[in-house]
Amino acid sequence: SQQGEEDPQALSIQEGENATMNCSYKTSINNLQWYRQNSGRGLVHLILIRSNEREKHSGRLRVTLDTSKKSSSLLITASRAADTASYFCATDSNYQLIWGAGTKLIIKP
Amino acid sequence: NAGVMQNPRHLVRRRGQEARLRCSPMKGHSHVYWYRQLPEEGLKFMVYLQKENIIDESGMPKERFSAEFPKEGPSILRIQQVVRGDSAAYFCASSATSRGQAEEAFFGQGTRLTVV
Repeated sequence: SQQGEEDPQALSIQEGENATMNCSYKTSINNLQWYRQNSGRGLVHLILIRSNEREKHSGRLRVTLDTSKKSSSLLITASRAADTASYFCATDSNYQLIWGAGTKLIIKP
Repeated sequence: NAGVMQNPRHLVRRRGQEARLRCSPMKGHSHVYWYRQLPEEGLKFMVYLQKENIIDESGMPKERFSAEFPKEGPSILRIQQVVRGDSAAYFCASSATSRGQAEEAFFGQGTRLTVV
């Protein structure tokens, strides 16, 4: 079974609102990464948070990590139409990245 | 410095044909990882290669699939006798170190294979 499980599977919000996506995993990790994938395009690395970090910011992105609950959240503030994409979390297991199925985010104008 | 380059971007093959997917890592990177993404699913690890060596192929199907990363040239993911279930997006990533996947991974745009 997949290590990372994103929640919700799909999210549709109005432009300007905040979007929150969650990721749960099963085993201990060294770090957790979030990626964005626009329709029909490749993957773009968004942010990496290490297991000893609890929160990390990058522009309009905020990622939290709770290792006791084995979960992470990605918050996108002040969403824009260009944020429409699928968002994946990935956890590392040695040199393998294990991916969830992703959250489809749609930003409505 | 070009990023990870994959080609072709789109590949259509008839059942039973062979598919060859190429991945040129970023300059200076000697570690390559291949992933497969089925429709509506996340990526699944297939194989990890260093120059001329397969380090981990635990995610590769036992039959018809093979990968190489020669001393010169791109990494090749080869699928023989393709079937409809092989239709997917295949992504390649590269890193400079063996812990590359614990750090930022550089991904190509992917090759979308359609088997008809």
